[in-house]
Amino acid sequence: EAEVAQSPRYKITEKSQAVAFWCDPISGHATLYWYRQILGQGPELLVQFQDESVVDDSQLPKDRFSAERLKGVDSTLKIQPAELGDSAMYLCASSRPGQGANTIYFGEGSWLTVV
Amino acid sequence: DQQVKQNSPSLSVQEGRISILNCDYTNSMFDYFLWYKKYPAEGPTFLISISSIKDKNEDGRFTVFLNKSAKHLSLHIVPSQPGDSAVYFCAASARDSNYQLIWGAGTKLIIKP
Repeated sequence: EAEVAQSPRYKITEKSQAVAFWCDPISGHATLYWYRQILGQGPELLVQFQDESVVDDSQLPKDRFSAERLKGVDSTLKIQPAELGDSAMYLCASSRPGQGANTIYFGEGSWLTVV
Repeated sequence: DQQVKQNSPSLSVQEGRISILNCDYTNSMFDYFLWYKKYPAEGPTFLISISSIKDKNEDGRFTVFLNKSAKHLSLHIVPSQPGDSAVYFCAASARDSNYQLIWGAGTKLIIKP
């Protein structure tokens, strides 16, 4: 069964360092999402791509976060510099456009701990 | 302003009994509702959904009920099994918002043996 691949699964980094997460969506899925989930809360959308274009990055803290999907396939989310409050699970998801929300498939997530 | 609310942070149910998870929403434009299940250290997994044109959708042990007038939906799991222990998220979307998912905070379901 096709899956959304994410790496690394776990990352510990020091405050003010840079960190990057990678995501490979399900083949053929044109829409890619990066979410952040803090314990006890629902996932929060950071950025949504349609192919290589950003559709929504209104909740992305652009002073320290950046995301790219240069060839419209895999994607990287970067945080620089990391802050203590960035400790969370970062989830990548993908879907085919036009089929409604129930086709969003999540990866296993990347746990970030900032110390 | 939370548009999707899951007011019970946790719920404990005896194995074999019915689990009922509740979700309330405020935005009348929502027309699609979903439940996701999440195990610790894993991403959410899609469970079941319902369109606003229906009031019930059933899939095996899982049934979702939608009460549009009350802006309330619920997920029923019967019978509950130990593997159902997880966090359950309710999410809602609207066609005019490009189906962007708005999430509740989740309810942790614990199935007791």
